Amino acid sequence: DGGITQSPKYLFRKEGQNVTLSCEQNLNHDAMYWYRQDPGQGLRLIYYSQIVNDFQKGDIAEGYSVSREKKESFPLTVTSAQKNPTAFYLCASSIGAGNTGELFFGEGSRLTVL
Amino acid sequence: GDSVTQMEGPVTLSEEAFLTINCTYTATGYPSLFWYVQYPGEGLQLLLKATKADDKGSNKGFEATYRKETTSFHLEKGSVQVSDSAVYFCALGSGTETSGSRLTFGEGTQLTVNP
Repeated sequence: DGGITQSPKYLFRKEGQNVTLSCEQNLNHDAMYWYRQDPGQGLRLIYYSQIVNDFQKGDIAEGYSVSREKKESFPLTVTSAQKNPTAFYLCASSIGAGNTGELFFGEGSRLTVL
Repeated sequence: GDSVTQMEGPVTLSEEAFLTINCTYTATGYPSLFWYVQYPGEGLQLLLKATKADDKGSNKGFEATYRKETTSFHLEKGSVQVSDSAVYFCALGSGTETSGSRLTFGEGTQLTVNP
């Protein structure tokens, strides 16, 4: 079955540590996205990538970094510079640039900073 | 910039009740509009969409009509079920060649349906 796989589902981190969340898709989609979800705030865009080796900052990119070395993979690193990293992180993909159609989401990764 | 405003939740209904979740938007141009649903512990799934004014999106008994004159895209269902309990997100898409399919989401509305 085609889809998006995020791992790990749950992650605990001590303050000052960087962590990397994995996102893999086998939908052959060109574009991939990372959103952060906090209670009562909906989803906010962190980074997105429309093509391999290229990515753009979203609305809340500070304290995060990404890479897009392969079409199917878009890992997100939450760095120690992120002041409030505890949240639910969602990865998504879509067919490509200029498309206002459907986003396909993974099941999310919940990060808790201890 | 683009924005989406949803009615505040949570919403609690009895089974077979009528559901309305209000959504209004602000955008330049002619955006596409979406409703996504998130079941507990899961990612979001597309529920329905409309790409131009007066279009009606529908799926699983849910409907929403793209009203340009009132900049609204209210979600309705005639008879809700316990299995409809979830968080519902209204979203706006105004993708361009440089922005792709980046969507702007509302805050989400928690719906609980009691038997």
